[in-house]
Amino acid sequence: AQKVTQAQTEISVVEKEDVTLDCVYETRDTTYYLFWYKQPPSGELVFLIRRNSFDEQNEISGRYSWNFQKSTSSFNFTITASQVVDSAVYFCALSEAPAGANSKLTFGKGITLSVRP
Amino acid sequence: AAGVIQSPRHLIKEKRETATLKCYPIPRHDTVYWYQQGPGQDPQFLISFYEKMQSDKGSIPDRFSAQQFSDYHSELNMSSLELGDSALYFCASSNRQGVSYEQYFGPGTRLTVT
Repeated sequence: AQKVTQAQTEISVVEKEDVTLDCVYETRDTTYYLFWYKQPPSGELVFLIRRNSFDEQNEISGRYSWNFQKSTSSFNFTITASQVVDSAVYFCALSEAPAGANSKLTFGKGITLSVRP
Repeated sequence: AAGVIQSPRHLIKEKRETATLKCYPIPRHDTVYWYQQGPGQDPQFLISFYEKMQSDKGSIPDRFSAQQFSDYHSELNMSSLELGDSALYFCASSNRQGVSYEQYFGPGTRLTVT
C-alpha cells in the first residue's frame, strides 16, 4: 500500500523567509510518481510539480525548488523568499503506476503555510 | 487552454436527499477521477473511469454511484445524503495515452448537507 506522510501540519513564517515543506512516502512499486499541489483559500487544487521515480534531479522553478531523494524516500519542497501569496495548504501526493493502468493519487494530510507580512 | 469543468460549483441539500455532480474532462482526456475532501482533510479517492468503464474504486459509500458517458463526461450520484457527506468534491481528468499520469483537477463542487 502507498502512503504519504507530511509530518508538519502548520508552518508560519515572515515574508522573505525561506521555508521547506517535508514529504516522506512509502511504496512497494519501483515505478511511481510524486506530486505537489497547492490549495489556496479559494479551494482549488493547483498542480505544482510531478516527478517520476527514475528522475532524481532536483528542480528549480522561480522561487520554488524540489529535492527528491530515493534513499530517504523524501520529496521536499522549498520556497525561497516567501510571499504572502504563498499562504495556502500544500499537499504532497503519490501515484503508483503499474503498467497499462491508471492510478489514483494518495495525498498526505497537507501542510498549512502562513506567510505574515 | 480548456480545463476540467465541474457543475454545480456549490450545492446545498438536506439530509436524505439526492445530489448529482457533473464533471466535464479536458478534451481528449479519457480518464476521470473523483475525490472527496472533507473539511480540513486531504482529498480521498472515490472512483475512476477509463473509456467509460470503471477502472478503480476507493472508499466510495454504497449510497454513491458514478458513471462515465459516451462523451466522456462523468456524473457522481449521491443518495440518502448524510451530514458527513458535506465536502468538496473534485473531479480530475488525465490522458492515459500520454503516460504522464498527470491529473488535472477541476475547481470542485462544494456540497453542504443540512
